[in-house]
Amino acid sequence: AQTVTQSQPEMSVQEAETVTLSCTYDTSESDYYLFWYKQPPSRQMILVIRQEAYKQQNATENRFSVNFQKAAKSFSLKISDSQLGDAAMYFCAYRGIQGAQKLVFGQGTRLTINP
Amino acid sequence: KAGVTQTPRYLIKTRGQQVTLSCSPISGHRSVSWYQQTPGQGLQFLFEYFSETQRNKGNFPGRFSGRQFSNSRSEMNVSTLELGDSALYLCASSLVFQGAPEKLFFGSGTQLSVL
Repeated sequence: AQTVTQSQPEMSVQEAETVTLSCTYDTSESDYYLFWYKQPPSRQMILVIRQEAYKQQNATENRFSVNFQKAAKSFSLKISDSQLGDAAMYFCAYRGIQGAQKLVFGQGTRLTINP
Repeated sequence: KAGVTQTPRYLIKTRGQQVTLSCSPISGHRSVSWYQQTPGQGLQFLFEYFSETQRNKGNFPGRFSGRQFSNSRSEMNVSTLELGDSALYLCASSLVFQGAPEKLFFGSGTQLSVL
């Protein structure tokens, strides 16, 4: 079975600085998808960024980028120019090829932005 | 376009009762899935429906069941409630079931408290 591990329960960063959230996963599949989701106090999960395992190029979405190391099974999220609105729980998630919506989530990292 | 709507937002039940939660996906979305979120276990996949058929099921007891209607709306039911069923139940929808991952849209969840 696939597992996702986020080793940082909490992180904090100064506004406008850069922060990196860590995620490792375990799978025997060669092709899969990885995601970072954000959950603000409203509780709604919001997709931040996604990465296809077959793509070597790291995904980027505005201030958000990932460092995908397939051999090391590592998938970290970098947030540049942190903003107060970035404060939330961040979840790393894995999806295999089969099943569009069956995601395996990590335990989450609570990110605090200090003004 | 309206987002994923979950009702009710909050629910209080007592042990032994049963409960039904409702999820209306985004118009046009045919795939719906459910997740349970607790502080201890994190986010866990419950089940996934597409075209009124259950396509995937997580590792939950038979007390947890669901269904999807012809208009793609979904309900999940928990019978003989236990204290450990207290959780945030999240619903997500997407256009399709398989293939390249469609963006998942989550609702704000139903917070269930079992007393």
